[in-house]
Amino acid sequence: GESVGLHLPTLSVQEGDNSIINCAYSNSASDYFIWYKQESGKGPQFIIDIRSNMDKRQGQRVTVLLNKTVKHLSLQIAATQPGDSAVYFCAENIATDSWGKLQFGAGTQVVVTP
Amino acid sequence: DTAVSQTPKYLVTQMGNDKSIKCEQNLGHDTMYWYKQDSKKFLKIMFSYNNKELIINETVPNRFSPKSPDKAHLNLHINSLELGDSAVYFCASSHLNWDGGRAGNEQFFGPGTRLTVL
Repeated sequence: GESVGLHLPTLSVQEGDNSIINCAYSNSASDYFIWYKQESGKGPQFIIDIRSNMDKRQGQRVTVLLNKTVKHLSLQIAATQPGDSAVYFCAENIATDSWGKLQFGAGTQVVVTP
Repeated sequence: DTAVSQTPKYLVTQMGNDKSIKCEQNLGHDTMYWYKQDSKKFLKIMFSYNNKELIINETVPNRFSPKSPDKAHLNLHINSLELGDSAVYFCASSHLNWDGGRAGNEQFFGPGTRLTVL
């Protein structure tokens, strides 16, 4: 079957540096992608989304890049802060699924060190 | 103001028992979801309701039965609990965003219910 993301890796980042979190997807029919942040003991929180007709979208301190050629999605966090420590998930919505079902990747644990 | 709320936050129970988890959203959304997150943090959709109608039903045992009394509520009842049901269950809601016949949507998640079956 097709899947999103990788096994849960850990990304250690020094405070103030930029973070890049990667996500691979294999369903070419996916047309909408979302990044979520999940802090310990809390529910996933929306960060940013992007549609397949775009290759870049920017938010506050975050940028999402979409490369449809290699089916790759990335989240860049500028000037990483201690509050950015969390698990980050990418998720995809398959265009042929008209009910908005999201398929989540395995997540990446981001640890911000002082 | 809480957007998506769940009760209880923690639920510890014995194998074989029946339990329910409640979810409410005050965002005016028309679609609600239940997800299961396992010990490895993997999030998997279980069910989805749109305007009180079941629209997504993944391969979930019949022991799990969702109920949506109205658009703002989606409850999850679990019969004959098993050890493998131990997980964190998340409720979410969204407004299905139709764009050229497709739907891509931001889902708002509740705080989760940690279920432990002993």
